[in-house]
Amino acid sequence: DAGITQSPRHKVTETGTPVTLRCHQTENHRYMYWYRQDPGHGLRLIHYSYGVKDTDKGEVSDGYSVSRSKTEDFLLTLESATSSQTSVYFCAISVLEAGVDEQYFGPGTRLTVT
Amino acid sequence: AQSVAQPEDQVNVAEGNPLTVKCTYSVSGNPYLFWYVQYPNRGLQFLLKYITGDNLVKGSYGFEAEFNKSQTSFHLKKPSALVSDSALYFCAVRDRDSSYKLIFGSGTRLLVRP
Repeated sequence: DAGITQSPRHKVTETGTPVTLRCHQTENHRYMYWYRQDPGHGLRLIHYSYGVKDTDKGEVSDGYSVSRSKTEDFLLTLESATSSQTSVYFCAISVLEAGVDEQYFGPGTRLTVT
Repeated sequence: AQSVAQPEDQVNVAEGNPLTVKCTYSVSGNPYLFWYVQYPNRGLQFLLKYITGDNLVKGSYGFEAEFNKSQTSFHLKKPSALVSDSALYFCAVRDRDSSYKLIFGSGTRLLVRP
C-alpha cells in the first residue's frame, strides 16, 4: 500500500458525533487526497492537499474538513457525522512516474454512522 | 465537465478466454487515462496509464489497454483471463491542464469462472 497507513481501519459511530480519520505516509510526498467509495459511484474526491497547510475542496466536500500540519499526516474530520457519510474512505498520495503523477492508495477506513 | 463511464456493472468470462472491460471518457482537453484494480478489502492498485504515443498500453499482470481518441475510449483487455483476475476495476481520467485531480468511473466487477 505504498507506505500509506490509515487509522482507524474500522469505526462505528453515532449520528451527530465528530469523527477524525488519519492518513499517514512515510515518503514525504507533496500531494495527498481523501476519497470516499460508495457503490455505483466509484471514488469521489472529498479534499486534497498540495503541501503543509495547503488544502482544497473536491467534488463532495460538504460536511468534511481537513488539516495538514505535517507533510506525513493528512486528517479528515466529520464535524457532525450523518448516516449519509457511511462509506469507505481512502487516502491517496501522488507519485511522479515518467512525467505523470500516479496515485497510490491506502488500505481504507470503513466508517459506519448509526 | 470531466466524466468517465463504465457501462457494465459486471463482466463475466471463463478462465482462459480474452476479457474486455469498457471505459469511455469526456474531457475538455487531452487526457491522461488510468486503470486501477481493487481486490476485496484492499485499496486500489495502479494497473496502467496512457500518456501519449502508442495507443496500446501494457501494464501489470498481463493487462493492456487501448486508447481510441475518436471514440474517446480506453478499454482494458487481457488475452487470457485468470480466476485471480476477479476483482473490481476502475477507469480514471485527468485533464492534462487540471490540477492533480482524478475523476473515476463507477467501477466494473470482473468475475472469471474456472
